[in-house]
Amino acid sequence: AQRVTQPEKLLSVFKGAPVELKCNYSYSGSPELFWYVQYSRQRLQLLLRHISRESIKGFTADLNKGETSFHLKKPFAQEEDSAMYYCALSGSSNTGKLIFGQGTTLQVKP
Amino acid sequence: NAGVMQNPRHLVRRRGQEARLRCSPMKGHSHVYWYRQLPEEGLKFMVYLQKENIIDESGMPKERFSAEFPKEGPSILRIQQVVRGDSAAYFCASSPGVGTAYEQYFGPGTRLTVT
Repeated sequence: AQRVTQPEKLLSVFKGAPVELKCNYSYSGSPELFWYVQYSRQRLQLLLRHISRESIKGFTADLNKGETSFHLKKPFAQEEDSAMYYCALSGSSNTGKLIFGQGTTLQVKP
Repeated sequence: NAGVMQNPRHLVRRRGQEARLRCSPMKGHSHVYWYRQLPEEGLKFMVYLQKENIIDESGMPKERFSAEFPKEGPSILRIQQVVRGDSAAYFCASSPGVGTAYEQYFGPGTRLTVT
């Protein structure tokens, strides 16, 4: 079965501390993985996708097929990073439908 | 570009009534996705539509739920005879093309409350 698991409901760190938001997936093919973010009172938006291998707002994520993980990392958290983060898997490259994890709230304290 | 529009933003219905949720995609986008978010859960795919066609409805409940995306006008998600378990946030996303090469742009969601 196709599944995305984000084990932490809430992650609280201090400003300047490293951040790692965990994401594990279950998929029987070649996955396409994404991180979406929802800031307070804003819409869900794409943060990054594994296929582009880019860094957005200081965040990176590496696909580890051996561990079936796609953890989101940032070396130094900022207060403006506080948001809800969702890991998502493309269940079908033909239709683009997304399978989301439960989400992790990141709280960056001053 | 105004972004994906959804209305109403909040909808209250009594058990047994019908709920109609509307989604206007971004200009130039002809692909629409509907997702449902139950309390304390992530978003779950419901249906993918192109203009006048349902492409993938594998996430739609078998009864009471239907979706359309007519040639003119918004996409509509219709829930007949609502029950308390239908209370959720319903999100629509649109994209300019098919597949994961194209980013999905999300609307603000419609919060349905069934009393």
